[in-house]
Amino acid sequence: DTAVSQTPKYLVTQMGNDKSIKCEQNLGHDTMYWYKQDSKKFLKIMFSYNNKELIINETVPNRFSPKSPDKAHLNLHINSLELGDSAVYFCASSPGQGSYEQYFGPGTRLTVT
Amino acid sequence: LAKTTQPISMDSYEGQEVNITCSHNNIATNDYITWYQQFPSQGPRFIIQGYKTKVTNEVASLFIPADRKSSTLSLPRVSLSDTAVYYCLVGASKAAGNKLTFGGGTRVLVKP
Repeated sequence: DTAVSQTPKYLVTQMGNDKSIKCEQNLGHDTMYWYKQDSKKFLKIMFSYNNKELIINETVPNRFSPKSPDKAHLNLHINSLELGDSAVYFCASSPGQGSYEQYFGPGTRLTVT
Repeated sequence: LAKTTQPISMDSYEGQEVNITCSHNNIATNDYITWYQQFPSQGPRFIIQGYKTKVTNEVASLFIPADRKSSTLSLPRVSLSDTAVYYCLVGASKAAGNKLTFGGGTRVLVKP
């Protein structure tokens, strides 16, 4: 069974569109994260979510919004997509905020044209 | 934020030991140091974590000097399958969300 899954794996869309990426973890973890990996392979955290507490990286545009229907899911919504949003987005989870053994999903490659 | 610096790439040969050093000069008191491995088209995978001195598990060792301004990941007797990008992560233990900082990654190529 896949521990952290993301859908879709690939997403191609046009500028200005709104899209969502879904993430699910079956590990029973309390904390989930979203990361962005750019073309130069730099990994940057966007959000962490723990027990309804959302911590936002201040550099993330407010066009990005995470939504958590329950502890096992943390979806990422992106409004008014821009070319610079093209990247690979990774979801991750960990047992708690104090644990850095994070389990990453396979990633979603977003291409904005 | 703790800024981290790693070498961009390293080459090695099968059976050798690979040591990758990460610099984190402004590491905070509560920050832990964690290393991840990433293969192409996959998410990063946890390798090892430490706070100070030395930590060893079945796949790697992590050496952290007393001043904690750097750390060295040691991969013993690498094989071709260890070819990957290795990331150093420095972050605080509480409310870490936007305080987690990955290094730029070190691309390790293991040659036969």
